[in-house]
Amino acid sequence: KAGVTQTPRYLIKTRGQQVTLSCSPISGHRSVSWYQQTPGQGLQFLFEYFSETQRNKGNFPGRFSGRQFSNSRSEMNVSTLELGDSALYLCASSLAGGQGNEQFFGPGTRLTVL
Amino acid sequence: AQTVTQSQPEMSVQEAETVTLSCTYDTSESDYYLFWYKQPPSRQMILVIRQEAYKQQNATENRFSVNFQKAAKSFSLKISDSQLGDAAMYFCAFPNSGGSNYKLTFGKGTLLTVNP
Repeated sequence: KAGVTQTPRYLIKTRGQQVTLSCSPISGHRSVSWYQQTPGQGLQFLFEYFSETQRNKGNFPGRFSGRQFSNSRSEMNVSTLELGDSALYLCASSLAGGQGNEQFFGPGTRLTVL
Repeated sequence: AQTVTQSQPEMSVQEAETVTLSCTYDTSESDYYLFWYKQPPSRQMILVIRQEAYKQQNATENRFSVNFQKAAKSFSLKISDSQLGDAAMYFCAFPNSGGSNYKLTFGKGTLLTVNP
């Protein structure tokens, strides 16, 4: 089975722009979670989607949004980019999102905001 | 809110030796899971080991084992016969909220260096 894929792998944007990141989960996985990783804050949960519905949301401003499609692929969007949004964005998928289910991570998208 | 604390920002170990990484957590739940993830320089997060809180027996995966102390809310990772490929950032993680919805809360991580 192919692993979790994320595109693009690297992205450079300027302040005020918006960006869309994409995540394709492992085939058959219906839960997709997004995390932001920065040196200062570490790994922080953004949101989780299951069957096209957002079930969980972390403490991020409304500029961060996401969606999930019927094929379980997910996108996250960040509008009005700020310098502090520079981070590694990780996507993870699991079968059903239950507590014991392993989350499989993608390689991440490195976003740099200038 | 659940919290996860890794008190060792960095650790080093000689190849073939044993090292233990510490993790403490705080929760009011009685049934939960705990995870250790590894993030090598390639940045790909990989699950190392998983422990179910209701199980008395400590989880083991080849050279990796845990020392789970539920009452003390401690979940340490022991790496035996350390190899150069074990060099990575290690994160302790705890899934928040019960039921079928969950999100992982990660500790700040421990950077492990393996010396030849």
